[in-house]
Amino acid sequence: SQQGEEDPQALSIQEGENATMNCSYKTSINNLQWYRQNSGRGLVHLILIRSNEREKHSGRLRVTLDTSKKSSSLLITASRAADTASYFCATAIGGGADGLTFGKGTHLIIQP
Amino acid sequence: EAGVVQSPRYKIIEKKQPVAFWCNPISGHNTLYWYLQNLGQGPELLIRYENEEAVDDSQLPKDRFSAERLKGVDSTLKIQPAELGDSAVYLCASSLLGRNEQFFGPGTRLTVL
Repeated sequence: SQQGEEDPQALSIQEGENATMNCSYKTSINNLQWYRQNSGRGLVHLILIRSNEREKHSGRLRVTLDTSKKSSSLLITASRAADTASYFCATAIGGGADGLTFGKGTHLIIQP
Repeated sequence: EAGVVQSPRYKIIEKKQPVAFWCNPISGHNTLYWYLQNLGQGPELLIRYENEEAVDDSQLPKDRFSAERLKGVDSTLKIQPAELGDSAVYLCASSLLGRNEQFFGPGTRLTVL
């Protein structure tokens, strides 16, 4: 079963613009992660934010977490054509190496 | 450092046939996961191993699916017999024990005819 749901399901923007995608989830979590999946390739871990954190940055990525609303957002600044991919949020209920529960993903297309 | 290796990358079989997928995790990663990903969906956990022990197999359909991780390194996921609805991508991932970040392999795309 899917824990989270990403919004929007699909997003198309011009290169150089910022892209924002949202994730909502249902149960209390230990941490939330974002993964990227390019066409024909495996999932790649982007960033992890713990339940006691509100914001985290990594390069052009900014993630926020609001545990009261059970939601997270991923912002990609100054988008590039190579950012075209599907982006998934994934939640872990426990710490350690628990299995992840993924959302359905947001398909991002960067127009050159 | 080599990533997670999976084989085969693609498999086409007829329904009711058996099929097996193989995964070699990143060296030193104690935890291994098998996920199933349907088209347009996120991955769903099937089973998680810590070393050779299956610590979470609650989502594995045990009537037709089985998995093993002998010696706590490589793992095999088997389906017998396969059904049309099993067509999907089967992903293997690994992580260091106690760490949340998972590293995924390229997956095996299964088509059941």
